[in-house]
Amino acid sequence: ETGVTQSPTHLIKTRGQQVTLRCSSQSGHNTVSWYQQALGQGPQFIFQYYREEENGRGNFPPRFSGLQFPNYSSELNVNALELDDSALYLCASSWGGSGELFFGEGSRLTVL
Amino acid sequence: GDSVTQMEGPVTLSEEAFLTINCTYTATGYPSLFWYVQYPGEGLQLLLKATKADDKGSNKGFEATYRKETTSFHLEKGSVQVSDSAVYFCAPFSGGYNKLIFGAGTRLAVHP
Repeated sequence: ETGVTQSPTHLIKTRGQQVTLRCSSQSGHNTVSWYQQALGQGPQFIFQYYREEENGRGNFPPRFSGLQFPNYSSELNVNALELDDSALYLCASSWGGSGELFFGEGSRLTVL
Repeated sequence: GDSVTQMEGPVTLSEEAFLTINCTYTATGYPSLFWYVQYPGEGLQLLLKATKADDKGSNKGFEATYRKETTSFHLEKGSVQVSDSAVYFCAPFSGGYNKLIFGAGTRLAVHP
């Protein structure tokens, strides 16, 4: 059974740039959620994708967007990067909305 | 909306000591309750869960009991090991999409 994998693991961008983060969900899972974890903080919910559509969103601006593909993998896109976007971005997959999430190891984004 | 309060860390213990990490929550209705753990450099892992009042979740020697009357879900372990060193997150889940509410977490450091 393949777990949740994310890429890239680390990346550095400058303010105003755009970034795309990728996630492959665990085999058999149909739902992908994205979380942002700032240093020393708990993860904050960004949004969730189910059947290729966003079906839940946290308190994040529209410049945070995503996609889910037919194989249930997902992308997180962030436009017009700001310094405060520096964080660990976690992808989590699940079967439906049970709250039982399987997390990847995250993509650490640094915005300079 | 849902919220969670955990005891501040770091919690520093010697190996084989007894562990308690306090967690209280506020939520609409009767949420499921989760403990997730984050080992250094990794994503979060589900440690245990409870879905209704008086349920006890347990895993890897850790236990937590869903106390509706005190809105608490304290994590306990009778004898901690160095390998338990990690950050622990309590999270209520009120259903719908996978929007877990995480607090700042409690860092546990266990010394030989």
